[in-house]
Amino acid sequence: DVKVTQSSRYLVKRTGEKVFLECVQDMDHENMFWYRQDPGLGLRLIYFSYDVKMKEKGDIPEGYSVSREKKERFSLILESASTNQTSMYLCASSLFSASNEKLFFGSGTQLSVL
Amino acid sequence: QKEVEQNSGPLSVPEGAIASLNCTYSDRGSQSFFWYRQYSGKSPELIMFIYSNGDKEDGRFTAQLNKASQYVSLLIRDSQPSDSATYLCAVNNQAGTALIFGKGTTLSVSS
Repeated sequence: DVKVTQSSRYLVKRTGEKVFLECVQDMDHENMFWYRQDPGLGLRLIYFSYDVKMKEKGDIPEGYSVSREKKERFSLILESASTNQTSMYLCASSLFSASNEKLFFGSGTQLSVL
Repeated sequence: QKEVEQNSGPLSVPEGAIASLNCTYSDRGSQSFFWYRQYSGKSPELIMFIYSNGDKEDGRFTAQLNKASQYVSLLIRDSQPSDSATYLCAVNNQAGTALIFGKGTTLSVSS
């Protein structure tokens, strides 16, 4: 089965730090996604990528950027972490279009910004 | 901004009963509809998808879609305590490139 691996399960950072969240998938999927999940707000799409070096903004891209230099790796970057970015971050991938295919999720990174 | 609405719950049903989970969406152009299950502390996993009006059955699960009413539901027959989880409804975005999720409905099945 597809494996989506997020580099850290728990992360604690200070306000103002630059934070990198890494995600790697092992099944040659075209599409990769970053969501954040907060109690009462559900899963919200931050950014996604449908090809190497291609990226699209999701619903809440402010304060984030992404990088996809290789097909298997999709990084989420918090340029200057703030306390309101404390959240569970979920990476996902799909083979082609997310509209008609299963999303495979990583196990998540719980980020705390102090 | 597309919206996907779900009652947050909790929805409580006894073991063996039918659990009915509902979802409405705002964009009439939506084509693809998914139900994901998320256990506490775990990642979402796909349980059903539906594209056409009507019912789609898979074991104890039935997804129902009514595009005219912009309504999609998930029925779980013979509910088990192991079905206790949060159920997320998801709909494709306007470009068809990503999924927009509802906030989820928490289901609790008591034995």
